[in-house]
Formats: sequence, C-alpha cells, structure tokens
Amino acid sequence: DIVMTQAPLSVSVTPGESASISCRSSKSLLHSNGITYVYWYLQKPGKSPQLLIYRMSNLASGVPDRFSGSGSETDFTLKISRVEAEDVGIYYCGQLLENPLTFGSGTKLEIK
Amino acid sequence: QIQLVQSGPELKKPGESVKISCKASGYTFTDYAMHWVKQAPGKGLKWMGWINTYTGKPTYADDFKGRFVFSLEASASTANLQISNLKNEDTATYFCARSEMYTWGQGASVTVSS
Repeated sequence: DIVMTQAPLSVSVTPGESASISCRSSKSLLHSNGITYVYWYLQKPGKSPQLLIYRMSNLASGVPDRFSGSGSETDFTLKISRVEAEDVGIYYCGQLLENPLTFGSGTKLEIK
Repeated sequence: QIQLVQSGPELKKPGESVKISCKASGYTFTDYAMHWVKQAPGKGLKWMGWINTYTGKPTYADDFKGRFVFSLEASASTANLQISNLKNEDTATYFCARSEMYTWGQGASVTVSS
C-alpha cells in the first residue's frame, strides 16, 4: 500500500498569514499519462470532507484561489495564502493512483 | 447541483446488520464511480472500496472483505453499503464520495453498542 505521510500534525496561524502543509508518498504518484494523482481535502468541524485540490495542482470548483497545490512525484505541498477563520479544520492529502486509495493522517489548522 | 444525500444515523447491537444509502442527484449516476470511506470517532479517513455504477462491480479494500457489501439501485440513482454481523469497531461515520472524491455525502453515523 502507498503510505501518505503528512507534516506537521497541527499548525496555528495568524489570520492573514500563510500556511503550508507537506505530504510525502512512499511511491511516485505520477502516472504514465502525465497526471499526478494526489488530492487535498479539508474537513471542517462536524462536516464531511471537501475537495480543495485535485491532480496535484488543480483548484476544485468554488475553492478560493488562496489555496494552491504543488509538488514532485513523491513530495507535495498545500499552501494557504492569507489564512482566514473559515479555513480551520483538518487537512488530508490522499492518493488516487492505485488501490487501496490511501490518505495521510491529517493536519489540524487552528487560528491564533 | 451535484448532491449525495445519505441516510440517517443508526444505532445497532453487535451481530445485527445495517444498510446505508447514498442518493445521487444532479448528474448521470452511471457515469461516475462511487467510493465508500470510513471515519471512526476522532480518527482519519479510511478508504473501504468502490463500486462501478455502470456494471455494478464492487472492489473492496482488504480490511472490508467479507461483512461489507456495496450495491446499487441504479434506477433510483442510489448506492448502498450493507454491513453484517456488526462489531463495536464498526462504530463510525461512513461517507459516500463520487469519482475522484470530488463530491461527498454528508456522512451516515453508525453506532454499535449492546
């Protein structure tokens, strides 16, 4: 199984500042079709997860452009610019390259 | 708009069975796979498997082979998850999520307690 390792476990951010979350996969997520199958989700308190970034760097519909995704074949970053109070929750990276699909353990974002 | 609406909370005893539904709307049901994801209380996300909504063929993650069954009522644009012989460790919220997990249901809570 592909292991997804996230860091940090939690992050506390002042509103208006930036935050970065890292995710590393135990295997390359680059498919032969040129697509890198890493995804980022946010689970707000008491809610279901919502997709933020798909295929490493594509912004999901309706997601503010303060969110961006980047990376290589095994190392990925979610960056949140100008953090707002509504961004609190747990962020998960996930790989959809191969079964079983796997997720990182999550990064909790709090507001200072 | 695209929506996945799941059935309500369930309270069951060990050994019983439960069936969770996920009704899709806003798109052609059979065009997109449906995934199932488990979230135990206070824990992260665990992928259970997926079902091909066109052929009805299910694929299960190793930890979910045996007591778990994915099924469809395609005419009703509904995917179902049935869990038999419930155990305490099945207490969780179960999510359905459309292909690439772009859209998620609101979750269905299952509590197993004697």
